[in-house]
Amino acid sequence: NFMLTQPHSVSESPGKTVTISCTRNTGDIDSNYVQWYQQRPGSSPKNVIYEDNQRPSGVPDRFSGSIDSSSNSASLTISGLKSEDEADYYCQSYDGINLWVFGGGTRLTVL
Amino acid sequence: QITLKESGPTLVKPTQTLTLTCSFSGFSLSTSGVGVGWIRQPPGKAPEWLAVIYWDDDQRYSPSLESRLTIARDTSKNQVVLTMTNMDPVDTATYYCAHKEALRSHFDPWGQGTLVTVSS
Repeated sequence: NFMLTQPHSVSESPGKTVTISCTRNTGDIDSNYVQWYQQRPGSSPKNVIYEDNQRPSGVPDRFSGSIDSSSNSASLTISGLKSEDEADYYCQSYDGINLWVFGGGTRLTVL
Repeated sequence: QITLKESGPTLVKPTQTLTLTCSFSGFSLSTSGVGVGWIRQPPGKAPEWLAVIYWDDDQRYSPSLESRLTIARDTSKNQVVLTMTNMDPVDTATYYCAHKEALRSHFDPWGQGTLVTVSS
């Protein structure tokens, strides 16, 4: 089994850009797609990026995803930060056989 | 529009069996490529995938919990049922069901979740 490690928290000011990382400890990050979920307080998780860099319909193009094989990590970038972006963000991937793994989550604070 | 909603007991005692029902609309589990998964989230912690069932009755379980889980579908009622045996206080969590496509790696959308507390 593998683990996905995220920073516990990040913060940035409105209008700025923030990047949240997700590092895979074993196996290649590009061997299986990475997804990202946004969870606002009291709500269920909502998918904001799937298959590394695809945005579901309705998700603003301020949200983007990428993969960096050299660091074996994925990243979620949110530009033009808004107060409504304040939430917990989780990355998620698959072991290719029988296990869907979630990262520990990152709390984004919009100052 | 796809919607899912979880239902079941809010409180169970240690060693009891938990049975949760996911009622959904906007899709059919008889349609090729469709699946429903269960994910739980302990208070203040990250989500943990539990199980998934597909249109062809293919069932997959988290290896760490496989011995305690059973997932089943009722296509006529548009429902998926998850049972978890031998409940323990560490199983206290919000339990979510979510739509999944077989050829995709993500779960979308999720239900509103149901909080299950395990306590004597």
